[in-house]
Amino acid sequence: GQQVMQIPQYQHVQEGEDFTTYCNSSTTLSNIQWYKQRPGGHPVFLIQLVKSGEVKKQKRLTFQFGEAKKNSSLHITATQTTDVGTYFCAGYSGYSTLTFGKGTMLLVSP
Amino acid sequence: NAGVTQTPKFRVLKTGQSMTLLCAQDMNHEYMYWYRQDPGMGLRLIHYSVGEGTTAKGEVPDGYNVSRLKKQNFLLGLESAAPSQTSVYFCASTQRNRGEQYFGPGTRLTVT
Repeated sequence: GQQVMQIPQYQHVQEGEDFTTYCNSSTTLSNIQWYKQRPGGHPVFLIQLVKSGEVKKQKRLTFQFGEAKKNSSLHITATQTTDVGTYFCAGYSGYSTLTFGKGTMLLVSP
Repeated sequence: NAGVTQTPKFRVLKTGQSMTLLCAQDMNHEYMYWYRQDPGMGLRLIHYSVGEGTTAKGEVPDGYNVSRLKKQNFLLGLESAAPSQTSVYFCASTQRNRGEQYFGPGTRLTVT
């Protein structure tokens, strides 16, 4: 079945440093989504990428979808303590079910 | 709008007991999902539904059953709970096929 791999599993940064998480799928994706889960909370949708090579920005967050539609990345510029949480990528390759990566846990020290 | 709600929030079961988790959404979404989240494992799909009266198996369906008798509700049942079912359970819904999913707050279940 489809597998979505995400690295790193965990990253600890100082506030102000940049952060990047990478996502790779074993199959071509129709789209990829990113979610954020705060400690003790539930996943919250951040963004969806659909087109090959697509790049989208949300303030300090930059999302990219690879040309082959099998990989993606999330980059956070100048992290803040409010960025703490686990970031998940998830992809649709079949009809209606998402496959989630295992997530990257981000810890930001002030 | 309450969005997606889940009851109960917490539950402790003994091995062999049964229970039902309720998910309700007030957004008129067609698609609903049940996931379990375990440390280091991400979110794994248990069962899902693409509309009222329909259900389908996900990645880890064994030991669970579901029903979608009303469009707004999606029930997850554990007939005979096992310690391996200790987890956090999330329900999610989406309006359209391959759309963004809205998650409920989760149910933390412990089976002893």
